Amino acid sequence: GENVEQHPSTLSVQEGDSAVIKCTYSDSASNYFPWYKQELGKGPQLIIDIRSNVGEKKDQRIAVTLNKTAKHFSLHITETQPEDSAVYFCAASWWSGGSYIPTFGRGTSLIVHP
Amino acid sequence: DTGVSQDPRHKITKRGQNVTFRCDPISEHNRLYWYRQTLGQGPEFLTYFQNEAQLEKSRLLSDRFSAERPKGSFSTLEIQRTEQGDSAMYLCASRQQDPDTQYFGPGTRLTVL
Repeated sequence: GENVEQHPSTLSVQEGDSAVIKCTYSDSASNYFPWYKQELGKGPQLIIDIRSNVGEKKDQRIAVTLNKTAKHFSLHITETQPEDSAVYFCAASWWSGGSYIPTFGRGTSLIVHP
Repeated sequence: DTGVSQDPRHKITKRGQNVTFRCDPISEHNRLYWYRQTLGQGPEFLTYFQNEAQLEKSRLLSDRFSAERPKGSFSTLEIQRTEQGDSAMYLCASRQQDPDTQYFGPGTRLTVL
């Protein structure tokens, strides 16, 4: 089965700095890579995703890069704000039964200090 | 509120008891997913429905777990003879046919004493 490693487990930055979270996956069949933000007491919320035929995708202050050869992908958040503080999860997904089935990383707790 | 809802939000039970959780997806979302999340971990996929058909099950879903979606709308997840290792947050998510975005509910936190 798929195995997703996520680093770091905790990331502390000052407001305005950039934050980078990295993930690696093991199954070359995975071809959809979403990133989720989870705030305390809430379910995960999709913030950005990328497919295997794309190397980079941006959405305002958030960007994701994918290297399929090396089997790793990264989340980049620029100009961090205190409201970015949350746990972030990466996932590698494969297609089965008419849907993408994700395997999640263990999460990164991002703390943005004002 | 038109998001995914889950009931109850918290459940405390004694070992050996049966519990049932309910998930109401976003209206007209034909795909529904169940996940389990333990402290310090990411969600783990349990099972997936397209309409009323259960199309994918994880090997994590032991014989004590059963999920249904009888009319293709709400879904229930039942755990029989609960064990302390079943203590976790149980998350439900739903999505339309396109795009692939899954919308998660707030989860049901289960504590088995």
